[in-house]
Parts: sequence; structure tokens; C-alpha cells
Amino acid sequence: ALAQPASVSGSPGQSITLSCTGSSSDIGGHDYVSWYQQHPGQVPQLLIYDVNLRPSGVSHRFSGSKSGDTASLTISGLQAEDEADYYCCSYAGDNILVFGGGTKLTVL
Amino acid sequence: VQVEQSGSEVKKPGSSVKVSCKTSGGTINSYALIWVRQAPGKGLEWMGGIMPIFDRANYAQRFQGRIKITADESTNTGHMELGSLRSEDTAVYFCAIASKLSDCGVTRCQYDTLDTWGLGTMVTVSS
Repeated sequence: ALAQPASVSGSPGQSITLSCTGSSSDIGGHDYVSWYQQHPGQVPQLLIYDVNLRPSGVSHRFSGSKSGDTASLTISGLQAEDEADYYCCSYAGDNILVFGGGTKLTVL
Repeated sequence: VQVEQSGSEVKKPGSSVKVSCKTSGGTINSYALIWVRQAPGKGLEWMGGIMPIFDRANYAQRFQGRIKITADESTNTGHMELGSLRSEDTAVYFCAIASKLSDCGVTRCQYDTLDTWGLGTMVTVSS
């Protein structure tokens, strides 16, 4: 599994970055990192794909990047509604996907 | 495209469960069907997927030998069957569609993004 911090917190209006660390077999070897947001009791929703692309309808406050074996999700202008669990996912070759353990974001 | 999953299940240890997901609003041959599970209070776990147009499935290594993923083009429905159930298999099982396909060859396309998710099917394994 990819490594994500268990929890992060931030204040409204702040920018915050969530990290996701893998290896050369997944994140480092492929430009196919996606991020999913999951509110409690709800279905995961696609936020970012192909490292830094946003599906239509996703706020511009969400952006993605990658450096080496680590991918990042940045949320700018933090809002109360952003409080959720965030999962990274990477392609690992041969149609294998690997998820991170998830990060619980708390908006103070 | 929308995804509708079958209802919750309660199973005995050692038995099997088959979860279905019916897709609508598109043709099943134009995307991949992926299965992801989430144990209570835990994270997401990729189990495997299938490209119905090739009728070719692949599985996470930890489920090899006790999982089977299939798709029925005539009904636009995918199925995931998991056998030799144990209590640790208690989880919500999600079916998701990967409509972004790339690097297509004779026997497969690459999928890497889960863009539409079903609501999930709760499977409880208990004696």
C-alpha cells in the first residue's frame, strides 16, 4: 500500500498538502495517480486523475502533483465541507492498482 | 454511466458470496469494471477488474485463488464472487467504472482511474 499520513488538520481558508509515498513500481514509474474524497458513510468521489487533472465539476481548489515516488494533493482555501477522508491511488503496471491507507482531514 | 449494486449479504465462514453491479447509460464494452472493498473503519483496497470487451480479468495477488470477476454483456452486469470467506472479509464491496482506457492492444487496455462508483454492497461474514 501507498503511505499516507493518518490525519492532517487545517483552518478555514488555509492551504494544505496531503502526501502519498510509493515506490518506483507505482508512483515513481507511472504518471497515473488519482485521488478520491470520501465523506463519512458515502461513496468515494474522484478528485484528481493522471497526477494533476481534474474531472469536470471538481473545484479548482484541488490540485495534484508528483515528484519522484511521492504524489501530493493540495487543497487551497480550505472549507468546512472539505473535511473527509482522502485516498491516493496509483497504477502499478499490468492493470494493477494500489491505494494509500487514507488521510483523515479535519477542518478546525 | 450509473452503477447499481446488489443488496447486502450475510454469509457463514467458509462460504462464498457473489456481488453484482448493473451499469446503465453506456455500453459495458466501453469501460472496465473494477472491484474495491472497504472493511469497517478501514481504507480502500483494490481487488481486481475486468475488461468485458476482452472478457479478461485480473486480480490482486492476495485474493488469487478465491476470487472470480465476470461480466455479462447482454445485461450490462458485472459480478464478483469471493470464496472461502472469513470474518476479515466483512466489508463494503464497491463496483466502480473505469471509462478512461488507454494503450489498447489486442487483449487489453490500460485502466487507472475509477470515475463512477456504485453505492457499495455490505457483506458480513459471521457464524
